[in-house]
Amino acid sequence: NAGVTQTPKFQVLKTGQSMTLQCAQDMNHEYMSWYRQDPGMGLRLIHYSVGAGITDQGEVPNGYNVSRSTTEDFPLRLLSAAPSQTSVYFCASSYVQRGEKLFFGSGTQLSVL
Amino acid sequence: GQQVMQIPQYQHVQEGEDFTTYCNSSTTLSNIQWYKQRPGGHPVFLIQLVKSGEVKKQKRLTFQFGEAKKNSSLHITATQTTDVGTYFCAGSNFGNEKLTFGTGTRLTIIP
Repeated sequence: NAGVTQTPKFQVLKTGQSMTLQCAQDMNHEYMSWYRQDPGMGLRLIHYSVGAGITDQGEVPNGYNVSRSTTEDFPLRLLSAAPSQTSVYFCASSYVQRGEKLFFGSGTQLSVL
Repeated sequence: GQQVMQIPQYQHVQEGEDFTTYCNSSTTLSNIQWYKQRPGGHPVFLIQLVKSGEVKKQKRLTFQFGEAKKNSSLHITATQTTDVGTYFCAGSNFGNEKLTFGTGTRLTIIP
């Protein structure tokens, strides 16, 4: 099993550009989520999904969109990149949302110039 | 909203010394999880605590959940260079199962 796969590992964008961070898991997990990690601020939840066709906002959703058309995939879209979105992004999944441990992808380091 | 604070933010210890990180929540938690992130890596699940006053051990690591289920601690005995990394706690509330992560404690070891 590959677990949780994130692509790309690194990305540099110019302000105003759009892009999609990919996340796929092969563990048949119902719950998938996106976090951003900034120095001194821990991991903050951006968006999450409890199953195909269902998404909801987390703590810091502004500037990001998500969709969940299949159980396996949960892409994160930056609509118009801003320097404040420079961060490390992690996708994480678990079998269900309630009380289950999260499996994290290897992360995407994004810089917005 | 729920807030989870961790202290200290940084800790430098000599190899062989003990290390403790503390996690405090503004609300009562249904459970708390601990994760370790090696430098340049991703968070990896260590353990979950559910019961009031629960204590669990993993070799040199001891995890505690407070009686009021609002705080937790991770204690490492006789640190080794392999313990280097950032330790995060993460808690969720009854009825709202979104995990809220603490700010993390970065542990560095002086050989």
